[in-house]
Order: sequence, then C-alpha cells, then structure tokens
Amino acid sequence: AQKVTQAQTEISVVEKEDVTLDCVYETRDTTYYLFWYKQPPSGELVFLIRRNSFDEQNEISGRYSWNFQKSTSSFNFTITASQVVDSAVYFCALRGGGADGLTFGKGTHLIIQP
Amino acid sequence: EADIYQTPRYLVIGTGKKITLECSQTMGHDKMYWYQQDPGMELHLIHYSYGVNSTEKGDLSSESTVSRIRTEHFPLTLESARPSHTSQYLCASSGPGEYYEQYFGPGTRLTVT
Repeated sequence: AQKVTQAQTEISVVEKEDVTLDCVYETRDTTYYLFWYKQPPSGELVFLIRRNSFDEQNEISGRYSWNFQKSTSSFNFTITASQVVDSAVYFCALRGGGADGLTFGKGTHLIIQP
Repeated sequence: EADIYQTPRYLVIGTGKKITLECSQTMGHDKMYWYQQDPGMELHLIHYSYGVNSTEKGDLSSESTVSRIRTEHFPLTLESARPSHTSQYLCASSGPGEYYEQYFGPGTRLTVT
C-alpha cells in the first residue's frame, strides 16, 4: 500500500519569510513518481512539479525549490521569500509503478500574512 | 495551461435527484480520472478510465457511475443524490504513461440538501 504524509496541517508565516512544506511517502515500488500540486481558494489543482524515483537531483524554479531524498523517503518543498499569492493548500502526491491514480497527502494549508 | 473543463462549478440539489457532473478535456488524453475531495481536504480516487469504453473503480468506494463514450468526455452520474454525497468532485486527465502528470479541472462543489 502507498501512503503520503504531510504532517503540517497549517503553516502561517509573514510575507518574505522562507517556508518549507514537508512530505514523507511510503511505497514498496522501486519505480515511482512524486508530485506537488497547489490548490488556491478557487479550488482547482495546479501542477507544480514531478520527480522520478531514479532522479534525486534537486530542482529550483524561481522562488520554489524541491528536495528529494530517497534515504528518508521525503520530498520537501521550499518557498523562498514568500508572497501573499503563495497562500493556498499544497498537496504532495505519489504514483507507484502500475498504479493509475495518485495517492495524495492530506495537504498543508499555507497562510502568508502581509 | 491545461484544457480541462467541469460543469457545473456549483450545484445545490435536493435528496433523491439524479445528477450528472460533466468533464471534458481538449488535450486528446486517453486517461481520465475522478477524485472526491472531502471537507478535510484529502483527495481520493473514485473512478478512472484508460480510454473509450474503459471505466474502473478507484480506491474509494462510490455510489456514482461513469461512462466514456468519447475520448474527450467523462461524465459522472449519481442516480439518487444523498447528503452524504456532498463534496467537491475533481476531474483530471493525463498522458499515456505513469510518468505524466495529471491535469485537473476546476472542480464541482456539490451540496445535497
């Protein structure tokens, strides 16, 4: 069985602070894929990043960066110099080899205060 | 930007009514999905399809049914709505392999009174 844990239910920071959202996953598959999605108040899920299990290279995209560590089964997401527009619910998700749907974590509600 | 559409965006309906939630995508994706998102925010897969005439049940048991007569269209139907069906329903599609990300529609927020 697959599982994604986002232990932080809600995080509140002041604008311009850096913030890290944690994601820990469980899977028995050797090949799997990890994703982060953003859900703003409007409700749609916006795809942010995909990472393959065989590629542990970290990635940076503007103010966003992702740290994938297979040794600790973690795929953490950092926002640098946070902005009010970053306020949303962020979901980490896992897709194992052969699986059809995504297994989601419960989400982290990020609040950026001005 | 993904081209996947859901209608209606909001629906309030009485118990016992039959409803159909529409989902369409213009990306030519064979794989499509329905997720249910409960008030606690967690999403669960309830249906998916590999292509025309293919439908499968997901991880979460649901009283809804789906059909896939056309590649671009994946409607979800509830024959008799109940208050326990109140939730947000999100439709998604993806490319052919496991590698591909899923693109989501804006969702339908259903309230059954």
